[in-house]
Amino acid sequence: AQRVTQPEKLLSVFKGAPVELKCNYSYSGSPELFWYVQYSRQRLQLLLRHISRESIKGFTADLNKGETSFHLKKPFAQEEDSAMYYCALNEGPSGTYKYIFGTGTRLKVLA
Amino acid sequence: DVKVTQSSRYLVKRTGEKVFLECVQDMDHENMFWYRQDPGLGLRLIYFSYDVKMKEKGDIPEGYSVSREKKERFSLILESASTNQTSMYLCASRRRQGALDAEAFFGQGTRLTVV
Repeated sequence: AQRVTQPEKLLSVFKGAPVELKCNYSYSGSPELFWYVQYSRQRLQLLLRHISRESIKGFTADLNKGETSFHLKKPFAQEEDSAMYYCALNEGPSGTYKYIFGTGTRLKVLA
Repeated sequence: DVKVTQSSRYLVKRTGEKVFLECVQDMDHENMFWYRQDPGLGLRLIYFSYDVKMKEKGDIPEGYSVSREKKERFSLILESASTNQTSMYLCASRRRQGALDAEAFFGQGTRLTVV
């Protein structure tokens, strides 16, 4: 079955420390993966998608098919990075794609 | 530049009531979704629609139904509200063409409390 696993419910780091939010997936085909973020009192929004190989707000994520992982990383955490982060996997036949979301990780960046 | 609008931010309803949650998008997206967001459980798909009058069940459709009479509007209906449906409900839309990497746009959420 298709599944996305985020093993950490809460991750606390100090400002300036490196951050790694873990995401593992189970998918039979070629996966398309995303990270979404929800800041306090804001809408859920796209952070980055693996197909674009982009870096947004200093965050990067590399798809590792061997380890079936798509971990989100940032070398130096900032207080404004504190938010809820969701990993998502695209699923479905062409035109009707839908997301499977992980359970989310709350990141707290401490001053 | 609000793109996905949910009709209510907070809603309190009584057990047994029929509840309507409305969602409107202005991006001419074909695909629309209703999710439920609960702490520790993440986002779970209730229903989605990939065209007008088309709908498919998601992972947790029991106790819910949906309506998509117009492309821009997707309604979630709780036929008989129960306390275990107290939750945050999120609506989202996404284009269909080239949708493999398409971004989903979310509404601000409706926090429903059933008493």
